[in-house]
Amino acid sequence: GQQLNQSPQSMFIQEGEDVSMNCTSSSIFNTWLWYKQDPGEGPVLLIALYKAGELTSNGRLTAQFGITRKDSFLNISASIPSDVGIYFCAVDNAGGTSYGKLTFGQGTILTVHP
Amino acid sequence: NAGVTQTPKFRILKIGQSMTLQCAQDMNHNYMYWYRQDPGMGLKLIYYSVGAGITDKGEVPNGYNVSRSTTEDFPLRLELAAPSQTSVYFCASSYGRWDEQFFGPGTRLTVL
Repeated sequence: GQQLNQSPQSMFIQEGEDVSMNCTSSSIFNTWLWYKQDPGEGPVLLIALYKAGELTSNGRLTAQFGITRKDSFLNISASIPSDVGIYFCAVDNAGGTSYGKLTFGQGTILTVHP
Repeated sequence: NAGVTQTPKFRILKIGQSMTLQCAQDMNHNYMYWYRQDPGMGLKLIYYSVGAGITDKGEVPNGYNVSRSTTEDFPLRLELAAPSQTSVYFCASSYGRWDEQFFGPGTRLTVL
């Protein structure tokens, strides 16, 4: 099946630093999604990207849909302790009779030191 | 609204036992999904449903069964539990095909 390669696997940063993570695939996708998972909770959608080259912001978060449609990145500016969690990229396996079937990357674990 | 609720939160099973993981949503969503998350991995789709009475397999359906008799409920059944089914199970729902999926808090299952 399709695979997403997410990097880095983990990050340890100081409060106030900026963070960047990315996700790549060998296949083309028409929708890229970024989720955050807090400990003991389900994932929550942060940003959805629907157009190649699209740059979208949500507060301190910015995500871009790569122009080749094979990658995406997520930036977090001025990190704060509540940014701690696992960040997942996901793609929508669109096409044909596919119904919202998402494929997830393996996640980036973010730790923020006060 | 309670959103997506899952029960139980934790469960330990012996090999060969069966159980049903419950999932309910009160948002009148048409689409519902079951995912499993193994340690250090992303979520993988087990089964999904596009409406009451309609279900289909996802990426990893073996060893599981589902039913969707109502819009609100989407239970996941394990008939013969195996250690490979030790995982965290998430249920999700969305209004339509292209709409945001909302996830429940998860059920942590251990099979010994």
